[in-house]
Amino acid sequence: RKEVEQDPGPFNVPEGATVAFNCTYSNSASQSFFWYRQDCRKEPKLLMSVYSSGNEDGRFTAQLNRASQYISLLIRDSKLSDSATYLCVLYGSSNTGKLIFGQGTTLQVKP
Amino acid sequence: GAGVSQSPSNKVTEKGKDVELRCDPISGHTALYWYRQSLGQGLEFLIYFQGNSAPDKSGLPSDRFSAERTGGSVSTLTIQRTQQEDSAVYLCASSSTGTGQFFGPGTRLTVL
Repeated sequence: RKEVEQDPGPFNVPEGATVAFNCTYSNSASQSFFWYRQDCRKEPKLLMSVYSSGNEDGRFTAQLNRASQYISLLIRDSKLSDSATYLCVLYGSSNTGKLIFGQGTTLQVKP
Repeated sequence: GAGVSQSPSNKVTEKGKDVELRCDPISGHTALYWYRQSLGQGLEFLIYFQGNSAPDKSGLPSDRFSAERTGGSVSTLTIQRTQQEDSAVYLCASSSTGTGQFFGPGTRLTVL
């Protein structure tokens, strides 16, 4: 089983739609979780950290469910500029600093 | 402030040659990471530095790959006797304690 699993998509949605991505992870000891965004042929950029209590940044909401070992990202009022690949990321274990990346979910927002 | 910088941005080399890739992390970030990403693939972890030491080298694919970091800052990734399967984008990232990692723009390596 992969350490981090994401539905690769693509998710094709119209502008203004609400879209949600889920990601599951296998290591229950994982402590820190993030969503990154990667545009085509660009480096990943940190979108937001994910906290147990859930957190929101503008149109983006991230949630963590430790019991079920999944994290989610909700994007409201999608914009064309949201089109990208969204990577679910976590620290593999407490001391190595090694980030484990999911394969990413591709989002295409259409006019 | 300046982000992570990498050089060169593109490198084309012939099979069998050695290459050196450079990473300049964000000032004050103690942790530095190297990843590579092949076309259409996810990120593959290579090596992690905390200060000048490398507690995790588990991702280096072969002994042709090595990396060092001096002065707790700049890092170089060296690939000896390059092979065509080494062609990829090599990404460097840095972080401070408890933060996510911030990536440089990458070096696109093409081995002919």
